[in-house]
Amino acid sequence: DIQMTQSPASLSASLEEIVTITCQASQDIGNWLAWYQQKPGKSPQLLIHSATSLADGIPSRFSGSRSGTQYSLKISRLQVEDTGIYYCLQRYSNPWTFGGGTKLELK
Amino acid sequence: EVQLQQYGAELGKPGTSVKLSCKVSGYNIRSTYMHWVNQRPGKGLEWIGRIDPANGNTIYAEKFKSKATLTADTSSNTAYMQLSQLKSDDTAIYFCAIDYYDGTYYPLDYWGQGVMVTVSS
Repeated sequence: DIQMTQSPASLSASLEEIVTITCQASQDIGNWLAWYQQKPGKSPQLLIHSATSLADGIPSRFSGSRSGTQYSLKISRLQVEDTGIYYCLQRYSNPWTFGGGTKLELK
Repeated sequence: EVQLQQYGAELGKPGTSVKLSCKVSGYNIRSTYMHWVNQRPGKGLEWIGRIDPANGNTIYAEKFKSKATLTADTSSNTAYMQLSQLKSDDTAIYFCAIDYYDGTYYPLDYWGQGVMVTVSS
């Protein structure tokens, strides 16, 4: 199975700050990576697909990038509503695997 | 509007089975894959497997191959997951989710609200 190592596990940042979360894949997964946000008691929501493409309705302050087998989710100016837990997901091969999650809080 | 409806919470005794349902409206499940994901209390997301409702083909994560059975009824646009031989470790929220395609492929774009399964004697 492909392992997705996500970091950091938790993060505290201030309003308007730039936040970056990363996922390291254990092997090449191309651009078959997505990012999700989950708020407490809610279902996850797709933010980014194909490593860099913004899902419909997602604010442009969210962006995704790739460097080899390392993938990053960047929030350019953190807002209150961005708190929650973020997960990466690889769908390059079965079984699909999630990263361990990053809990993002406001400082 | 695409919606996935999961009903109620489930309480199961160790060694028994539960069958969860996920009814889809606004999208034909024959046009997509239905995935199931779990989340143990306070933990992250875990992909269980997926079914192609058009032909019944399934793929499971290794650890769920003898635990979960995925089926789908295209006539009612509903997918099901049966969890067998329940153990306390199966206590979790179980989500269904579908991929969406409109010329662009959106993985796990629509989710059910999740069902809490509690295993307890």
